[in-house]
Amino acid sequence: GEDVEQSLFLSVREGDSSVINCTYTDSSSTYLYWYKQEPGAGLQLLTYIFSNMDMKQDQRLTVLLNKKDKHLSLRIADTQTGDSAIYFCAETAYSGGYQKVTFGIGTKLQVIP
Amino acid sequence: EPEVTQTPSHQVTQMGQEVILRCVPISNHLYFYWYRQILGQKVEFLVSFYNNEISEKSEIFDDQFSVERPDGSNFTLKIRSTKLEDSAMYFCASSTNPGQGSGTEAFFGQGTRLTVV
Repeated sequence: GEDVEQSLFLSVREGDSSVINCTYTDSSSTYLYWYKQEPGAGLQLLTYIFSNMDMKQDQRLTVLLNKKDKHLSLRIADTQTGDSAIYFCAETAYSGGYQKVTFGIGTKLQVIP
Repeated sequence: EPEVTQTPSHQVTQMGQEVILRCVPISNHLYFYWYRQILGQKVEFLVSFYNNEISEKSEIFDDQFSVERPDGSNFTLKIRSTKLEDSAMYFCASSTNPGQGSGTEAFFGQGTRLTVV
């Protein structure tokens, strides 16, 4: 079945770049997502990448996709204290024609002032 | 910007009681989903719903759970007799269609935190 793995914790200093990595198993995934969850809050879609792309940049966020290795990364440039949150990698699978999103366990990003 | 809204944000219920979690999907979306996140664990798929019927459900979604679209705007998740292990954050999501093209991503609500005591 589908599985998404990511490290549990990352600590960076304010102003540095953060890189959160993720691996997934479903080679048929069409979309790969990054969601952000602040304490006690819901899931905020940060960005996503379509599987026929290698890279997507959106302001401070850069997503890199290595489809061969099934590896996805999220780079946050100039990390701010407001970026402290849990970041979930997720892939979509299509079962019987219907979409199912499989999430990783989430990487907790701690930004040190 | 359109968003998925969920109510209540937090629900506390006694074990054995029925709860209904409510969601208002984005208005032009046709596919609806429920996910849950037990504290410290992964977000897990529960069920997908289209055209007034369940299209897929996970093994978590047993007979205690049901979903309904009672009118043109709401999408509900009912748990008939809550158990302690049902305590979790429940997320509703919607998408325009489940296909594999651009613009079919699922949008998630802020979640309802259910606490069963």
